[in-house]
Amino acid sequence: EADIYQTPRYLVIGTGKKITLECSQTMGHDKMYWYQQDPGMELHLIHYSYGVNSTEKGDLSSESTVSRIRTEHFPLTLESARPSHTSQYLCASSGLADYEQYFGPGTRLTVT
Amino acid sequence: KQEVTQIPAALSVPEGENLVLNCSFTDSAIYNLQWFRQDPGKGLTSLLLIQSSQREQTSGRLNASLDKSSGRSTLYIAASQPGDSATYLCAVGTGGTSYGKLTFGQGTILTVHP
Repeated sequence: EADIYQTPRYLVIGTGKKITLECSQTMGHDKMYWYQQDPGMELHLIHYSYGVNSTEKGDLSSESTVSRIRTEHFPLTLESARPSHTSQYLCASSGLADYEQYFGPGTRLTVT
Repeated sequence: KQEVTQIPAALSVPEGENLVLNCSFTDSAIYNLQWFRQDPGKGLTSLLLIQSSQREQTSGRLNASLDKSSGRSTLYIAASQPGDSATYLCAVGTGGTSYGKLTFGQGTILTVHP
């Protein structure tokens, strides 16, 4: 059983608000990832990190930013939310042994 | 750029049937391949991980095979049950400087009816 947590699970906010989606894992994994998934669509990588103070943009351009100041924590921030940011955001992590990725339950974000 | 395709997009079968889900990828230089299950509105559950040097992996009623040279993987589900109903996702991991990054297919929506 993977121990990776995301909060909040659901969030409805108004346009222009700043939000932070939390992701934490207790497995000591170095690698962490954020994916975006629109309803009925495939997952796209938007950010990843190979360790503390390491962050990279993924394959899908995103206006969000991330930080990694602790191994277990990889928050995602939107400075000014817009309706186009409405989506499900999934966090994942993997270890160095086999790169198997474990996913959190996701945050479903709705921007009105 | 790696592209992953899953066929069929949707599948409906009666309980008890054996079934095969297909996944193909365009770049054979992969590090590993993972099959996931996703229930509506939920995160992903890892089902099977196949390293690039392996040909297949088994877990209970699930068996996944990998043919790297032809860019194909299959997920075999034996004796399907209504609880198997979910979306099944195939994802390939790339190596080099992209170690650990996954590229996903669009998924196969499986419905098993009693």
